Amino acid sequence: QVQLVQSGAEVKKPGASVKVSCKASGHTFTGYNMHWVRQAPGQGLEWMGWINPNSGATNYAQKFQGRVTMTRDTSISTDYMELSRLRSDDTAVYYCAVDLNYFDYWGQGTLVTVSS
Amino acid sequence: DIQMTQSPSSLSASVGDRVSITCRASQGISNYLAWFQQKPGKAPKSLIYGASSLQSGVPSKFSGSGSGTDFTLTISSLQPEDFATYYCQQYNSYPLTFGGGTKVEIK
Repeated sequence: QVQLVQSGAEVKKPGASVKVSCKASGHTFTGYNMHWVRQAPGQGLEWMGWINPNSGATNYAQKFQGRVTMTRDTSISTDYMELSRLRSDDTAVYYCAVDLNYFDYWGQGTLVTVSS
Repeated sequence: DIQMTQSPSSLSASVGDRVSITCRASQGISNYLAWFQQKPGKAPKSLIYGASSLQSGVPSKFSGSGSGTDFTLTISSLQPEDFATYYCQQYNSYPLTFGGGTKVEIK
């Protein structure tokens, strides 16, 4: 069965960077785009972008351009989302979600807390 | 960016009720509309894509309709496990955008 397992919670200081991983299993890793979505505490969902694990091509939301980098390591079926120059309003749960049949599998989420 | 507006933002309903949630796009998105269910502390779950196509394993009490700018998610007979927050999302153009959510609570 398809599984996406994300890395654990992080606490970062303002201005730092965070890198969240998403390890996939149960499907052809290079066959499907991986999206990243975040959710601030008590708030709605916000799409950040996707990566094509086969080509490495990315498509980022304009809001995050220049601060987000999505990469992949096909040898270990893992995608990464790195967000730099963190601010307090980047405190959120970050999810990966794969596009086998439109966002049908999600990771468990990674809480990133930005606090001085 | 395409703005997605859901209504109501919350509703109270009883077990067995028929419930409808609407989602309006700020411009036409054809049928590129998905619905998600989210329970507290959990990742969202995909229910519907293409405005009306049910994801595999999702019970038929969920249905979606609409095209263009106006869409509806209907739950035909609300059960205890359906109390959650529901989000619509457009995928007609980037950036993908979500509605603000509708929280379905027990009356």
